[in-house]
This record gives sequence, structure tokens and C-alpha cells, in this order.
Amino acid sequence: SAVISQKPSRDICQRGTSLTIQCQVDSQVTMMFWYRQQPGQSLTLIATANQGSEATYESGFVIDKFPISRPNLTFSTLTVSNMSPEDSSIYLCSVRPAGSTDTQYFGPGTRLTVL
Amino acid sequence: GNSVTQMEGPVTLSEEAFLTINCTYTATGYPSLFWYVQYPGEGLQLLLKATKADDKGSNKGFEATYRKETTSFHLEKGSVQVSDSAVYFCALMFTGGGNKLTFGTGTQLKVEL
Repeated sequence: SAVISQKPSRDICQRGTSLTIQCQVDSQVTMMFWYRQQPGQSLTLIATANQGSEATYESGFVIDKFPISRPNLTFSTLTVSNMSPEDSSIYLCSVRPAGSTDTQYFGPGTRLTVL
Repeated sequence: GNSVTQMEGPVTLSEEAFLTINCTYTATGYPSLFWYVQYPGEGLQLLLKATKADDKGSNKGFEATYRKETTSFHLEKGSVQVSDSAVYFCALMFTGGGNKLTFGTGTQLKVEL
């Protein structure tokens, strides 16, 4: 397994501002992902964070709105840009450890409220 | 496209009751199947998984069997406890397909004394 931490755990932000969420893993992992869980909804994959290259975004998500960095094998950031109340969600980082072909582990999430 | 359908909640049971949460999927091919659990105020935890037809995943008294014929992966537990109260998510993934997890909408379970 992998131990994943996220910062911040929660935040309340004003419309039009940006927030960067950090994800740190205690071991090197093959793949890192960012998901969104809107209130009362299931999880939706935003993008796959690629080490040393641009993230791979899912349909409906764009780099200008959700820029992602992954400078090494244990760390990634997701920025939610120019926020609106519709961005209020829980944002979760997940990882696939080296040696695993299918299992993903999730961080505790960042609960974002946009006023 | 791929999709996962779960029974709607909330499901309310008395302690020691038998639990079934239905999950069916639509996919081209044979994905790996997962159950994740989200306890109140916490992140998702992997509960169990199965990677091929007829495999049974089990953990903490929960079981689910990968049924190719019915494209199902129903979650069962013989005797639930109050501490099992959580939201349960069924999910599928194709290895080699970007490892994208496709989740169902989640089923909230409430267990009462």
C-alpha cells in the first residue's frame, strides 16, 4: 500500500481566486491521478499526472482550469483556477504503486468550498 | 462507454442483518472490479477487488464475486455492524487503459442498533 497526504485538508475560497492542492506519497509510485467528488456525487477522474510531462486530461477538464504538476515520483499538485461556486467539491489524489497493475490508493481528500 | 450502476441508497439495516449492495457494469471486455468504502469524514479505502471472472474478493467479512454472465459484482456481508455505516462505491478499471477507475454513484449504508 501507500500512505498519501494532501494539503490543505479543507479550504474556503473566494470566487475568482485559485487554490493549489498538494499530494505527497511516502514511496515512489508509477501513476498519480486527480479526482473530483462533487457534493452527493460519485468520483470523476480529472487527469493523470505524468512525471516530467504534461498531464493527461479527461473529457470536460482542461489545463487552463486545472493545471497539474508532477516534478517527481512522490509529489503532485493540482491547481483549481479562477474558482466559482460550482468548483466546490472534494478533490482527491490517488496513486498506483510500483508493482501493482490495477490497485489504486486514495488520499484523504481536500474539501473545497467556493463562496 | 464503460459504466457502473449501483443500487440507490440509503440502505438502512439493523445490526447483525445480512447486507447485499447490487452492482452491475457495462464494458467492452473484462475489466477488474473493485469495491471502495468511504467512512464519514474520510477518504476512499479499497475494500476488495477481483480481476477475472469467478474470482471472489473478500475483506473484513465483506465478499463480492465477479460474475461475467450477469456482469455483476454484488457486495455482501453476513452480519453488519454499526461501524460498517459508510458509503460504498463499486468501480471498474481496464489495466493498460490508462488505469482509469470508473465509479458507480455510491450507496450509503446506515446500520442501527
